[in-house]
Amino acid sequence: EDQVTQSPEALRLQEGESSSLNCSYTVSGLRGLFWYRQDPGKGPEFLFTLYSAGEEKEKERLKATLTKKESFLHITAPKPEDSATYLCAVQDYKLYGGSQGNLIFGKGTKLSVKP
Amino acid sequence: DTEVTQTPKHLVMGMTNKKSLKCEQHMGHRAMYWYKQKAKKPPELMFVYSYEKLSINESVPSRFSPECPNSSLLNLHLHALQPEDSALYLCASSRGQNTGELFFGEGSRLTVL
Repeated sequence: EDQVTQSPEALRLQEGESSSLNCSYTVSGLRGLFWYRQDPGKGPEFLFTLYSAGEEKEKERLKATLTKKESFLHITAPKPEDSATYLCAVQDYKLYGGSQGNLIFGKGTKLSVKP
Repeated sequence: DTEVTQTPKHLVMGMTNKKSLKCEQHMGHRAMYWYKQKAKKPPELMFVYSYEKLSINESVPSRFSPECPNSSLLNLHLHALQPEDSALYLCASSRGQNTGELFFGEGSRLTVL
């Protein structure tokens, strides 16, 4: 069964304190891994797509990396405005183009950055 | 600013009411989605429309009825809901059904009394 596990559930950082969020997954065949950011009471905002092990994507203070079993979202020198819940989702080749739901979401990591 | 617009932002309804949630996108996307999200949980897929046809219905109760009048609009008709249906309802769109790059609206917060 496909699974996506994110850790930690919650992370509190001081402004400027770099850290990483983890997304581990179990799928038959990974077609893509996606990171989203969600602010309270709002819809998720798409951040990155990663397709193959070794791939990296960057946007401002965020960098996403991918291995064969997990992805990391590295946050460098975070600011209070980076506070949000970060969701990871995977797309399984087995489900691709089928009649079932497309994305499997993890439960998210709630990041709080204090000034 | 999101390019997927949802109305209303907040809705309170009784269990016997009929109401609708509306969603609009002008990005030329051909797939549109309804998700339901409870507090501290990930979004849960309800329906997918691809080229204005319903392609996925994730065993959603019939008290939720989706409609896609055209490629830019998506509605969710609500009738005889239960208090446990209270949640944030998210609309999303994408270029095609099989991409994981979804563009979400800000959601409609539904409370069922």
